[in-house]
Amino acid sequence: EVQMVESGGASVQPGGSLRLSCVGSGFIFNNYELNWVRQAPGKGLEWISYISNSGSAIYYADSVKGRFSISRDNGVNSVYLQMNSLRVEDTAVYYCVRDSAGFDPWGQGTLVTVSS
Amino acid sequence: QSVLTQPPSASGTPGQRVTISCSGSSSNIGSNSVNWYQQLPGAAPKLLIYSNNQRPSGVPDRFSGSKSGTSASLAISGLQSEDEADYYCGAWDDSPSDHYVFGTGTKVTVL
Repeated sequence: EVQMVESGGASVQPGGSLRLSCVGSGFIFNNYELNWVRQAPGKGLEWISYISNSGSAIYYADSVKGRFSISRDNGVNSVYLQMNSLRVEDTAVYYCVRDSAGFDPWGQGTLVTVSS
Repeated sequence: QSVLTQPPSASGTPGQRVTISCSGSSSNIGSNSVNWYQQLPGAAPKLLIYSNNQRPSGVPDRFSGSKSGTSASLAISGLQSEDEADYYCGAWDDSPSDHYVFGTGTKVTVL
């Protein structure tokens, strides 16, 4: 079964940092591009970052550029999202998704709460 | 960075056909494929349609997608109660740099 499992979500104060992890299984990990997408409580979906299969190409949404950093380790089938200078508006469920002619599959997500 | 525009809500009775529109621009829908996602209440999103009109394995053929110019549509025929969910379109956007844009989302209610 093709699967993505996110972890690392927590409650942090504004200005803090957090590192999210995501492990993929059931497919040849280094063949696929990956993305992070988030969803604030009661809101729609927001794409935040992309990384190519080799890691050579990376894109960010304007809302996180300069604060978030995406990386991957194909040796352990993992993708990461380093989040710095967190803001209240970064509160959301964060999903990692495989880019396969559409984002598929979606994991269960990991909740990040930024609050004082 | 832009977003794709969808109607906030749509509804129908069981068995009816419901259509959801997704409006974009030349840098996203106009030059890239459109995908559709279904998010059931309390669940993670799921890919429903890819490459404008292709259904992943397991998606009922009641769901269909189309694209014309800078707009796309999702149609649900033979509406069922389990189709009550939020639906999002999505596409890559090339301007000014590569990024992915989602639609604003449409809540489908089965009356």
